Amino acid sequence: GDQVEQSPSALSLHEGTGSALRCNFTTTMRAVQWFQQNSRGSLINLFYLASGTKENGRLKSTFNSKESYSTLHIRDAQLEDSGTYFCAAEAGGGTGSKLSFGKGAKLTVSP
Amino acid sequence: NAGVIQTPRHKVTGKGQEATLWCEPISGHSAVFWYRQTIVQGLEFLTYFRNQAPIDDSGMPKERFSAQMPNQSHSTLKIQSTQPQDSAVYLCASSSGLGEEQYFGPGTRLTVL
Repeated sequence: GDQVEQSPSALSLHEGTGSALRCNFTTTMRAVQWFQQNSRGSLINLFYLASGTKENGRLKSTFNSKESYSTLHIRDAQLEDSGTYFCAAEAGGGTGSKLSFGKGAKLTVSP
Repeated sequence: NAGVIQTPRHKVTGKGQEATLWCEPISGHSAVFWYRQTIVQGLEFLTYFRNQAPIDDSGMPKERFSAQMPNQSHSTLKIQSTQPQDSAVYLCASSSGLGEEQYFGPGTRLTVL
């Protein structure tokens, strides 16, 4: 089965509002990355976390390896935040560096 | 830094033809990864190299797909006898080492007619 369960799959926000995306992991992960895929299909790095919380502007991400989840919070959403957001995690236990991706969350920000 | 470079950006092949996709990792990065993205399957791992040596090809289809890294500045993914189900965006990523942040190229969109 899927190692990374991402929710919600789609989300609509008005400008200036906020929400959170979540990924649950079915196996122990040693690190997580969050990406935004833009309209051209490029994956833009948002965060890389081995633990704890990081913040960058209007985005904040948390990774709790013990409880096997990660979140991405977006506040004061802007039109340019629209896109598809993916979490991807690297399994622990010496199984290698490959990333397992969630199914993605399509975010639409409207005026 | 130009980031990860992938060529071509788009490739159209006929069924049964061969397709070779190229990736140039970020200079100094020792790990190179290949993934593919489809609507149905999402983003899937294919294979990766460290210091040009193949480490894990567990995601590669057993037939028709092969990957090489002949030098530190480029890797190739070759698909022989392409089939319509091979149509996907093929993404290359690199990192400064194993267990480090991965950076993705823009992808090659392969369409098999």
